Amino acid sequence: DTGVSQDPRHKITKRGQNVTFRCDPISEHNRLYWYRQTLGQGPEFLTYFQNEAQLEKSRLLSDRFSAERPKGSFSTLEIQRTEQGDSAMYLCASSPTPTLEDTEAFFGQGTRLTVV
Amino acid sequence: QKEVEQDPGPLSVPEGAIVSLNCTYSNSAFQYFMWYRQYSRKGPELLMYTYSSGNKEDGRFTAQVDKSSKYISLFIRDSQPSDSATYLCAMSPYNNNDMRFGAGTRLTVKP
Repeated sequence: DTGVSQDPRHKITKRGQNVTFRCDPISEHNRLYWYRQTLGQGPEFLTYFQNEAQLEKSRLLSDRFSAERPKGSFSTLEIQRTEQGDSAMYLCASSPTPTLEDTEAFFGQGTRLTVV
Repeated sequence: QKEVEQDPGPLSVPEGAIVSLNCTYSNSAFQYFMWYRQYSRKGPELLMYTYSSGNKEDGRFTAQVDKSSKYISLFIRDSQPSDSATYLCAMSPYNNNDMRFGAGTRLTVKP
């Protein structure tokens, strides 16, 4: 296991189409996070899972976005009816369940989405 | 006002210089403070993390947190051209379920 893996690395889609991204976290990491990063900005939190349970969603996650982690391992992020404003890098991160002094999260390489 | 403020730079220094990168924040609930390095079109790579206030050193990198001033810093000693990247500060409350990132500072180290 060499780290968090995301697929695809790049996706170009036409406005109005649906897209789905996959994230495979580091083995045995209970937590999985999704972030979105636009050009010149830091990542913005979207949602996170503790095992298969989705515990928090950002207000940025509109009803066109849905994330799943059905078996507590890999996760998918789906965007329905894509808009040009959805163009961004979608980043996945994973971590063990945080303890008081240990909360390191490791990011994947991201999926760059371009909506034309 | 953003919750986490970070000067986007760009910052350009000669090889061997000491680099100082900083962030300020407004949320007193933050207890975990991280620095990530991000190369162009790549995912962020964790460099340092610090719990609560204090200093932490790892090789050429030193992270400092001053919670009383809501101010964090990353120092890079003997900077190298390979350090050229965007440096992102991030912080979160206990659960690490919602890291708040700065906009990132773009650093160039010239040979």
